[in-house]
Amino acid sequence: NAGVTQTPKFQVLKTGQSMTLQCAQDMNHNSMYWYRQDPGMGLRLIYYSASEGTTDKGEVPNGYNVSRLNKREFSLRLESAAPSQTSVYFCASSEIGWGGRRLDTEAFFGQGTRLTVV
Amino acid sequence: DAKTTQPPSMDCAEGRAANLPCNHSTISGNEYVYWYRQIHSQGPQYIIHGLKNNETNEMASLIITEDRKSSTLILPHATLRDTAVYYCIPPAGNTPLVFGKGTRLSVIA
Repeated sequence: NAGVTQTPKFQVLKTGQSMTLQCAQDMNHNSMYWYRQDPGMGLRLIYYSASEGTTDKGEVPNGYNVSRLNKREFSLRLESAAPSQTSVYFCASSEIGWGGRRLDTEAFFGQGTRLTVV
Repeated sequence: DAKTTQPPSMDCAEGRAANLPCNHSTISGNEYVYWYRQIHSQGPQYIIHGLKNNETNEMASLIITEDRKSSTLILPHATLRDTAVYYCIPPAGNTPLVFGKGTRLSVIA
């Protein structure tokens, strides 16, 4: 059981290049999330998808787009990479989507994509 | 929406209990408190969660005060591998998992 799989694990981009970070989960979870973590900092939510077909902005959405391709996959796209987007990107999934306060579920995280923009 | 306050860092001697506090004074009556940890840039890992009652699993114990305004995560016999950043996260209504800065726990040999 792979859990949450992120590809690629490492990437170096030049300023202005575009790329898509892929995330797939095999737990049949409804909700998926993208976070970024800058060196020495906590995780910040970029976008999330409470269920298939829906996406919402998180704390730091500027410069990113997302696609919930199907229930398994949630991709994050950088259209024109900037050095400020150098970070580690984490994808996560959980069984139950937000929209209700009473949750009894845990989130599972991938191992991250380390992105450097030069 | 519930906000949390955690000390930025703590030290614990190996083999001793690590007690990590969290204040969540604005938590709503039916919001769970979750704890995660992140070991050296790996993806965060779920530890435990609770609503009202104390909880225990193979990793840790969670003590929640009766008024639910604070909780304590207890690692009963800390090891060097428990060195990590520990996050206390209450779900916040319609907002999904939002991580604060957490507590950096250093377990010292």
